[in-house]
Amino acid sequence: GQQLNQSPQSMFIQEGEDVSMNCTSSSIFNTWLWYKQDPGEGPVLLIALYKAGELTSNGRLTAQFGTTRKDSFLNISASIPSDVGIYFCARNSGYALNFGKGTSLLVTP
Amino acid sequence: NAGVMQNPRHLVRRRGQEARLRCSPMKGHSHVYWYRQLPEEGLKFMVYLQKENIIDESGMPKERFSAEFPKEGPSILRIQQVVRGDSAAYFCASSPDRGGTDTQYFGPGTRLTVL
Repeated sequence: GQQLNQSPQSMFIQEGEDVSMNCTSSSIFNTWLWYKQDPGEGPVLLIALYKAGELTSNGRLTAQFGTTRKDSFLNISASIPSDVGIYFCARNSGYALNFGKGTSLLVTP
Repeated sequence: NAGVMQNPRHLVRRRGQEARLRCSPMKGHSHVYWYRQLPEEGLKFMVYLQKENIIDESGMPKERFSAEFPKEGPSILRIQQVVRGDSAAYFCASSPDRGGTDTQYFGPGTRLTVL
């Protein structure tokens, strides 16, 4: 169906390392959204993707809309401690946003 | 330029009590969405409201839960006779028009704990 599968579930890395996470679905999407949720806060939109194959950057973050339209990738380069949080992929479903379960990122100095 | 505001940030209730969660959308936004997040889960859509109207409540439990967005004042999510399974973080989002894509801006959430 429309379930979004994120992997890995969690990551524990050292400051300065690059990070890669992905999101897959059995359904074709027209939009991919990536959010970050800081501890104790609401999600904040990082990157929105609207076209298959699209590659978009936002500072140290880069996201790609897979060519099959069934997956998306988020990369973080040169991680820093404030990158800690949960990263969610999401898609629009009518009025609502449908979220994956998230990738939890921990960064040690 | 205040963002979406939610209060209280934390709410503790005993089983059987009522919980009232408030959301003030961003200035100029007339569309409000409520989501629930269980521990280690993503956000799940509950209800979408415009001023004085419920547009889509397909994600909201049929019993004990209700939502409103009056002409004046904040949107209210009301949970009657709370049970332990209602413990979760409840997020409100607002948007300036109907869209559901990157136009939804989220508040900081209300963390409900039912004892």
